[in-house]
Order: sequence, then C-alpha cells, then structure tokens
Amino acid sequence: KNEVEQSPQNLTAQEGEFITINCSYSVGISALHWLQQHPGGGIVSLFMLSSGKKKHGRLIATINIQEKHSSLHITASHPRDSAVYICAVVGNQFYFGTGTSLTVIP
Amino acid sequence: ETGVTQSPTHLIKTRGQQVTLRCSSQSGHNTVSWYQQALGQGPQFIFQYYREEENGRGNFPPRFSGLQFPNYSSELNVNALELDDSALYLCASSLATGRQETQYFGPGTRLLVL
Repeated sequence: KNEVEQSPQNLTAQEGEFITINCSYSVGISALHWLQQHPGGGIVSLFMLSSGKKKHGRLIATINIQEKHSSLHITASHPRDSAVYICAVVGNQFYFGTGTSLTVIP
Repeated sequence: ETGVTQSPTHLIKTRGQQVTLRCSSQSGHNTVSWYQQALGQGPQFIFQYYREEENGRGNFPPRFSGLQFPNYSSELNVNALELDDSALYLCASSLATGRQETQYFGPGTRLLVL
C-alpha cells in the first residue's frame, strides 16, 4: 500500500475547465508538496503546505490535516498546464504519489 | 529553471556495471537529495546529504551510495547494476535539511540498464 494516493490517475479537460486533483496520505506529516513534472522529467515545486490554503495565479492548493487530504485546483485550465502533477508528503522521509497525468485540450 | 543541473542526461549500461550520476546544486544549498523514479511511478527517496554527510536514507541497498562536495556538487553511485535500476534519477537541492524546505529539482538522468 502506498503512503500517498492520488486521484484521478489520468485526466483530460477542455481548455477553460476547472480541474481538481486529490491527494490522500496515511502517514504523519510536517508538510505536503505539490509538484509539476513535464515530459522529459523536469520537476517544479508548485506549493508547500502545512495547513490551510495557498494560491498562486490560477493554482490553488488546500490541505486538511485532520482528514489527511489535500487538493490541487486549476482554474481556467490551459494547454500549457498539461503535465504530471505529483503530491509528496514529508514524514520521516519524502513519500511521493504516482502522479496525475493532466491533458488540457484546446 | 531551478538552477540545479544533472549529467549525463541519458545513459545506457549493462547489468553488473557501475554508474556515477552527477548533480550540481544551487549555490548556497547545503542539502541534496536523490530520488529514483521508475516509469509510471512517483519518485522514491534514495538518500539525503547535508554538509557532505549522509543525513537520511530510504529503502535502497548499500550498492546505492553517494558523495557531496564542498562546491555544492554531488554524486550518486550505483554498483552491480540490475535491470530494475532502469529509471529516471532526480536530485534536488535545498537550503537546509528541514523537511519543510522547498526542494529544487534537477532535470534528471535517464538510466537504462540492459
């Protein structure tokens, strides 16, 4: 069983749609990261959360520590948002989800 | 651009060989972590180095070893390569060891073991 579970695994959306990616974890954590990985492998850190909500442009991330759940929302999605989004939690080490592959169609 | 570079970008080895992967961290980042990402999977933590000493290790055998140098560069060495070692290897640097530090990832090295 993975310490971090993401859903959905794959997601296709039309440009402009509102997108939600979910992450549930089973270990005690001090922080949660949302990462974006483009084809070719490069990973960019989008957010680091320990409580509440953060917003950066069209991206919003929320975390509920009691429910061990986080969501990443993308408003007004755009084809350049197409990537794999990975949830990673910080317990006694980093644990990563397997990622959600997002494709935004023009 | 994260300021973290890795070399080589791609590498092909045969089973039983040894490989050295390199990572150059952002200037001033004294902590580097290495991850293995198999195809279709999330990254798995290999180990972390802080000020040239190993500072935490994931569930990887001793044939995975590392070095960190004073100039913010580091190496991941894998001995006796196995087919299952084929993966993308990522390094990430951060300012400190605190688990809440933002990590800056390199582009990765794709290793194929035949």
